[in-house]
This record gives sequence, structure tokens and C-alpha cells, in this order.
Amino acid sequence: DVKVTQSSRYLVKRTGEKVFLECVQDMDHENMFWYRQDPGLGLRLIYFSYDVKMKEKGDIPEGYSVSREKKERFSLILESASTNQTSMYLCASSVDAILQTEAFFGQGTRLTVV
Amino acid sequence: GENVEQHPSTLSVQEGDSAVIKCTYSDSASNYFPWYKQELGKRPQLIIDIRSNVGEKKDQRIAVTLNKTAKHFSLHITETQPEDSAVYFCAASEDTGNQFYFGTGTSLTVIP
Repeated sequence: DVKVTQSSRYLVKRTGEKVFLECVQDMDHENMFWYRQDPGLGLRLIYFSYDVKMKEKGDIPEGYSVSREKKERFSLILESASTNQTSMYLCASSVDAILQTEAFFGQGTRLTVV
Repeated sequence: GENVEQHPSTLSVQEGDSAVIKCTYSDSASNYFPWYKQELGKRPQLIIDIRSNVGEKKDQRIAVTLNKTAKHFSLHITETQPEDSAVYFCAASEDTGNQFYFGTGTSLTVIP
């Protein structure tokens, strides 16, 4: 059973803080993703990674960065949190591009920036 | 890049009726189309998927159809039950990068 685990379920941070969201998967998946979920906007891709130390920008990378030092861990970093980054953040992983299988999601982190 | 549009954004049906959610995509290179169900407060989970070499796939009360020529695919839920109430997302992916492009979601409410 694939597990994608996000470090926090709820977070409250202040404007200007540096925020780290952590995601770990236990199935040796190649691909990992960070999405942001907002009402009426669906799931928007922030960044994804297809290998250790590799990253690609998604549709809305501004204000975010990522780190993938180990295959199982993918971190999303808000360099200087702003109120418009208040959202639900979902991490996901999938096997690889060739096998093209489903994405498995973490439980989400609801971030509030005050 | 790929653009996935999903309609309707909200859908209410009586228990026992059918529900249909439709998605269109723009990139003809997309060849994998999963559907996710997200119950309130929970993570999205795959309920059914279809690949471009297949026109239709069925799993009990859920079916998905794909029209590659028109670039649209649909989710059909028959004999709806209250536990089908959730937000449903369609997605499209191509085999060169395994990025998933999601629709904006449909909030389905099944009225008992």
C-alpha cells in the first residue's frame, strides 16, 4: 500500500516567514509533485521532480522553491510567506514516465499565512 | 502545455439517478486519463483511468469514455448513492514527462 505522508496537516505562519512543507513516499517512486488546491481552481502544479536533485517548474512556481536531496523526500519551500499563499498543499508521487501510472496523494497540508 | 477543462463545476442528482462529468483536453499527445475522487477533508484517490488505446472502461457503477478525435473524456456514475458525494477531478498525462494536468473539479451531491 503506497504511502505518501506530509509532515503537517495544519500550519499557521506569519507573513515573511520561511516555510518548509515536507513530503515522504515509501514506494521508491521516481516522480514527486507539489500541487496547490484552491476552490474553483482545482489542482495547480507548483513544481515536480523526476529524479533526485532534479526539478521542473509547474504552472505556478513563483514564490516557491523545492528540494529533492533523497528519492523519497520532496520539500516545498515558501521563501517569504505571503497571505495569498494561504491554501491547501498536496504532495503526490508516481512510478515513472514509462509506466505512466496513477499519482498517489498525501493527506494535504492546510497552510494559513497571517 | 496541456489545458484540461471540466464541466460542470457543481452537480446535484437524486439518489439512484446517473451523473455525468465531462472533460476536454488540448494536447493530442496526452494518452493517459485518470479520474480522482476527493471526499471532504481527504486526499484525492484514483477511481478509474483510461488509456488512449481504449474507448471505454467500466468498473461496476463507474465508467469512463474517451473520444480521442474530439479530445474529450467523460465519467459516468450510474445508480448514484449518497457516498458518491465528493469532488471529482479529471486529469490528462502524456508519456514524455508524466506530468498530470487536472481539471478544476466537479462537486457532486447525491440527494437521498
